[in-house]
Amino acid sequence: DGGITQSPKYLFRKEGQNVTLSCEQNLNHDAMYWYRQDPGQGLRLIYYSQIVNDFQKGDIAEGYSVSREKKESFPLTVTSAQKNPTAFYLCASTRATMGEQFFGPGTRLTVL
Amino acid sequence: GQQVMQIPQYQHVQEGEDFTTYCNSSTTLSNIQWYKQRPGGHPVFLIQLVKSGEVKKQKRLTFQFGEAKKNSSLHITATQTTDVGTYFCAGPIETSGSRLTFGEGTQLTVNP
Repeated sequence: DGGITQSPKYLFRKEGQNVTLSCEQNLNHDAMYWYRQDPGQGLRLIYYSQIVNDFQKGDIAEGYSVSREKKESFPLTVTSAQKNPTAFYLCASTRATMGEQFFGPGTRLTVL
Repeated sequence: GQQVMQIPQYQHVQEGEDFTTYCNSSTTLSNIQWYKQRPGGHPVFLIQLVKSGEVKKQKRLTFQFGEAKKNSSLHITATQTTDVGTYFCAGPIETSGSRLTFGEGTQLTVNP
């Protein structure tokens, strides 16, 4: 089945540690996105990539980093510089510019 | 910057009642998309509207795109408990290629 996978589903980390969230897609989509969602809130864009080896900051990129070395993969690192990292992180991809976005199941990160 | 506002933020209905959520953009949109996120789940694409004044139906759901392409609505007739979730609208950011800006969503609860 084609789709987007994110792992792990739940992640716990101690304050001050960097953590990398995985996002893989086998939809052959060019564009990929990372969103953050806080309880009862909408989706805020962290980073996005329209093509391999290129990515742009979204609205809340501070404290996060990404890479796009392969078309299928767009990992997100939450660094210790992110002041409030506990949130639900969603990865998405899209085939066409401004087309529908397909979301992965998300990773719930809790920093203790 | 470009903003998409959604109202109401919360809506509680009795099963069988109708429900409407409204989406307003600060700028003209080339298209608008609607997503549904079930509690604990990830957003799932529902529909995309492109034409001015467009109306589309999916069973009990009716989507409208305003004549000026700055507003949209989602109406659910005779809600069911399966309609529970948060409904988001999203519009493309014209200057950024494939970015979407999401409304904050309307959280619908349905009492049986």
